[in-house]
Amino acid sequence: DGGITQSPKYLFRKEGQNVTLSCEQNLNHDAMYWYRQDPGQGLRLIYYSQIVNDFQKGDIAEGYSVSREKKESFPLTVTSAQKNPTAFYLCASSTGLAGGIAGELFFGEGSRLTVL
Amino acid sequence: AQSVTQLDSQVPVFEEAPVELRCNYSSSVSVYLFWYVQYPNQGLQLLLKYLSGSTLVESINGFEAEFNKSQTSFHLRKPSVHISDTAEYFCAVSSNNFNKFYFGSGTKLNV
Repeated sequence: DGGITQSPKYLFRKEGQNVTLSCEQNLNHDAMYWYRQDPGQGLRLIYYSQIVNDFQKGDIAEGYSVSREKKESFPLTVTSAQKNPTAFYLCASSTGLAGGIAGELFFGEGSRLTVL
Repeated sequence: AQSVTQLDSQVPVFEEAPVELRCNYSSSVSVYLFWYVQYPNQGLQLLLKYLSGSTLVESINGFEAEFNKSQTSFHLRKPSVHISDTAEYFCAVSSNNFNKFYFGSGTKLNV
């Protein structure tokens, strides 16, 4: 079945360590996104990519980095510069600007990062 | 700039009662509107969307939402809720200019 796979589902790390969250999609979507979810704050955009080898900062990009070397993959690295990394991270994809209409987002199951 | 406001953080309701979850947006351009549902420790699933055409859109599980351009609203309604509807609901807006999506802070529906 087509979909988005995020791994790991749960991750514990010590303060000061970098950690990389994986996101893979087999929907053949051009656009991919990373959101951060905190209780009562909804979803906030970290980074997004509309095409391979290109990505843009979202509203809260500081302390995060991404790459888009393949259409199917959009990994997120949470660096030690991120002040408060404990959160639920969601990866999503969409058809992008196909036909001039913004297609809806399809989400993975999320990765919960806890920094000890 | 675009933004989404969900005024109610939690909505308690008895089973089989009607419910309305409110969503207001602000945007200077044409928008596309979405409602997503999230069950605990899972990703978001699309519930329904408004792209164009009829301002009343329906989902397969009895929810409906009406796009009101003059009031910049996209409220979600269900005439009779079930316990299985207990979840968090997010309203989102997107425009075809930027292909970015902006989410409200979510409303927890407790049935």
